[in-house]
Formats: sequence, structure tokens, C-alpha cells
Amino acid sequence: GEDVEQSLFLSVREGDSSVINCTYTDSSSTYLYWYKQEPGAGLQLLTYIFSNMDMKQDQRLTVLLNKKDKHLSLRIADTQTGDSAIYFCAEMRGQNFVFGPGTRLSVLP
Amino acid sequence: GAVVSQHPSWVICKSGTSVKIECRSLDFQATTMFWYRQFPKQSLMLMATSNEGSKATYEQGVEKDKFLINHASLTLSTLTVTSAHPEDSSFYICSATYIRNTEAFFGQGTRLTVV
Repeated sequence: GEDVEQSLFLSVREGDSSVINCTYTDSSSTYLYWYKQEPGAGLQLLTYIFSNMDMKQDQRLTVLLNKKDKHLSLRIADTQTGDSAIYFCAEMRGQNFVFGPGTRLSVLP
Repeated sequence: GAVVSQHPSWVICKSGTSVKIECRSLDFQATTMFWYRQFPKQSLMLMATSNEGSKATYEQGVEKDKFLINHASLTLSTLTVTSAHPEDSSFYICSATYIRNTEAFFGQGTRLTVV
């Protein structure tokens, strides 16, 4: 299909790691992105990965890319309550961004 | 990083009136701006793409006469919802990018409520 897919919900305990998964569709996408949206706010770019990379780490965030399976994941280490939000993966098709449905991350104390 | 400012953050209007939403790139020149609509608990739906100085390209199913987009300068794009109806109530988000850039920078969104 043409959709970017994500699981819709994830709950973790504070201090644990969170792993949010995404499946994209366009094998020619050169960049893949993770955005965070807090309630009532716009989107904040967390990180992105170039398609010729397998992994990218940025402080508590680790992005893994499996290009063969078109699978992207975002790992958040030591998850905090402030990480509660909706996380969108996105791929760039041409000049447009195509977003997944978003994963709502709930961090439990 | 680059900053995109969207105004207003929220607006309530009566049915039949028009509402204008502004999207400004504050510290860069935006060659392309995007307008999205987001329904509650759903992802972003691209409405249209606008390049400075040219007509916007609308996605299939988006009424160009209802959602007027103007990208008159490299730092400003506007979305006007004409003859608003309650079903137009939604969260509208703009984003902007510049040539050869790989990132899109998002505004904070505008919550439109039509009563």
C-alpha cells in the first residue's frame, strides 16, 4: 500500500526504554524522520536518518533503519514523563512529507 | 534551528464567515510551504503545497475555492478558510522548507472552531 504505518499506542514505565516502530513504503525515500507532537502543539523534529545509514544516535534517541524491510524504529532510553506525546514517523516523497498515523506514548510513573 | 510562526493559535468563528491563518518563516526564506489538516487523534493530512510566487498545488479532494492559499513572499503564506462550516473545525498546521533542505519546520498549529 501507500501508507506509512505505525502502532497507535505504547505505554512504558518511567525509566524504561521505549521503542516505537514504523513501516514505510517508498524504497527510494532518501530521508526518514521522527517528529514529536505534544497536545495542542505543532510538530517538533526529533531526528532524521539518511537512507544509507543503519543507525543514528542522538543523546537518548536511537534510530534504527532496516532498508530491506522498510522498517524504521525510534528508541528512547530512560523514558521520562515529559516524553509523553504522539510520535510521527515520516518519509520524504519528492518534496512532500508523508506521515504515519502517529504513536501515542504514555509514560507511567 | 529555523523557526516557523503560525497565527492565530486558535480561532472561533461563526458559520459562513472566512478565517485567515498566517504562516511565517522568521529566520529563513521559505521556498516551499505546506498546509496540513489534522483531525483529532489522527495523522496530518496534506492539503496543499505552495511555492513562492506561484499557485498552490492542492491534494486530491481539497477544495481550492474553499481553502485559499497565498504564498506572496518568501516568508509568508496564508490559508483562508472561506464560508466556514462546522465540519471545517480542525487543527491546521503549516510547515516550511527551503531549497535543497531536507528538513521541514512546523508552525505551532491553529485550532479552528466553527460554531
